[in-house]
Amino acid sequence: DAMVIQNPRYQVTQFGKPVTLSCSQTLNHNVMYWYQQKSSQAPKLLFHYYDKDFNNEADTPDNFQSRRPNTSFCFLDIRSPGLGDAAMYLCATSRDINPYNEQFFGPGTRLTVL
Amino acid sequence: DQQVKQNSPSLSVQEGRISILNCDYTNSMFDYFLWYKKYPAEGPTFLISISSIKDKNEDGRFTVFLNKSAKHLSLHIVPSQPGDSAVYFCAASETFDAGNNRKLIWGLGTSLAVNP
Repeated sequence: DAMVIQNPRYQVTQFGKPVTLSCSQTLNHNVMYWYQQKSSQAPKLLFHYYDKDFNNEADTPDNFQSRRPNTSFCFLDIRSPGLGDAAMYLCATSRDINPYNEQFFGPGTRLTVL
Repeated sequence: DQQVKQNSPSLSVQEGRISILNCDYTNSMFDYFLWYKKYPAEGPTFLISISSIKDKNEDGRFTVFLNKSAKHLSLHIVPSQPGDSAVYFCAASETFDAGNNRKLIWGLGTSLAVNP
């Protein structure tokens, strides 16, 4: 089945220690998104790639970076995680940027910062 | 300032009855609305959507109603089933913004429990 895969499902890191979260897709979609969702909050878009074009949200901290080496993979790098970065990180894909195109989500990676 | 509001954090309904989940928005430029469903330990999955040129969209047991003048939409599930127990997110967007404002703006979600 075509899907969005996130690894790992659970990630524990130490305060200030860089961490990378991974997302892959078999849908061959053009757009890949990274969302942060904290407990009892709405998903918050961090950034998205349209093909190789990177689009950062204005309020995404510089501590968060992303890479998309090819169509299938996208990575979220947190350079110096703080306690406030503990959250669920959701990767999603869509065929195109227009909201008419359904977003397909992975299961998420829950990040714990000690 | 939340542009998409789901004021009921939770809702409990008996199996077979109607579930009504509500969503209000403040941005009059929103013209496309979506509902996503989320089970524990899974990502959200798309459920149903509606464009602002319509006031109703139906898909099986799920119907979304849009009242543009009130800036309000609702999701009706009839009849409700235990498998519908999940968190339901309302999301909204501007579809024709020439800039980059076509991202989805999400509500906080409503947790629906359908009791057998």
